[in-house]
Amino acid sequence: GAGVSQSPSNKVTEKGKDVELRCDPISGHTALYWYRQSLGQGLEFLIYFQGNSAPDKSGLPSDRFSAERTGGSVSTLTIQRTQQEDSAVYLCASSFRFGVNEKLFFGSGTQLSVL
Amino acid sequence: AQKVTQAQTEISVVEKEDVTLDCVYETRDTTYYLFWYKQPPSGELVFLIRRNSFDEQNEISGRYSWNFQKSTSSFNFTITASQVVDSAVYFCALSDNSGNTPLVFGKGTRLSVIA
Repeated sequence: GAGVSQSPSNKVTEKGKDVELRCDPISGHTALYWYRQSLGQGLEFLIYFQGNSAPDKSGLPSDRFSAERTGGSVSTLTIQRTQQEDSAVYLCASSFRFGVNEKLFFGSGTQLSVL
Repeated sequence: AQKVTQAQTEISVVEKEDVTLDCVYETRDTTYYLFWYKQPPSGELVFLIRRNSFDEQNEISGRYSWNFQKSTSSFNFTITASQVVDSAVYFCALSDNSGNTPLVFGKGTRLSVIA
């Protein structure tokens, strides 16, 4: 597809279960980002990948969160032992490269609800 | 530290009214970029504009205009003759070299345009 694709669009899970969220960036984009959007909190940076460099995990809120990017393309964000406070929209974005002036292209997000 | 403040949480206007969305930013860097993104109900953030710190010229694009004032660290966004399709959440964002976060977002302003 032409844009950033995220799946699933909605995920409902029970507290304590693990979830995986997937992001397929725009072809040719070397930088990939994950953000979290909670009600009234704006967009919170989680992690980004640039090419084959080690990812910047500085925004991950706890060690229950992890992400990987396979083959420099698709990325998976994993949340282990989910908690109710993890409920949010998880947005993925990509850009041609990582840089201060780069425009990000966003997916439609995954709405995660932890019951 | 980087910070973006959008003091208006929600704004409601009647169609054809003009509306200005405020954005105030903080950065220690001299080189930085400011962005506005629109998030319609579909959820996907859409890029509207990018402005670098050395260019203080105001910009107009159709019904949209942006007023960048370094003296007050503001980058305000005005929609002229608003339309129902303008209803969305609007995010202001900052990117600079002073931190690891690729793009720092404000909390967003929800604009409702009533017919």
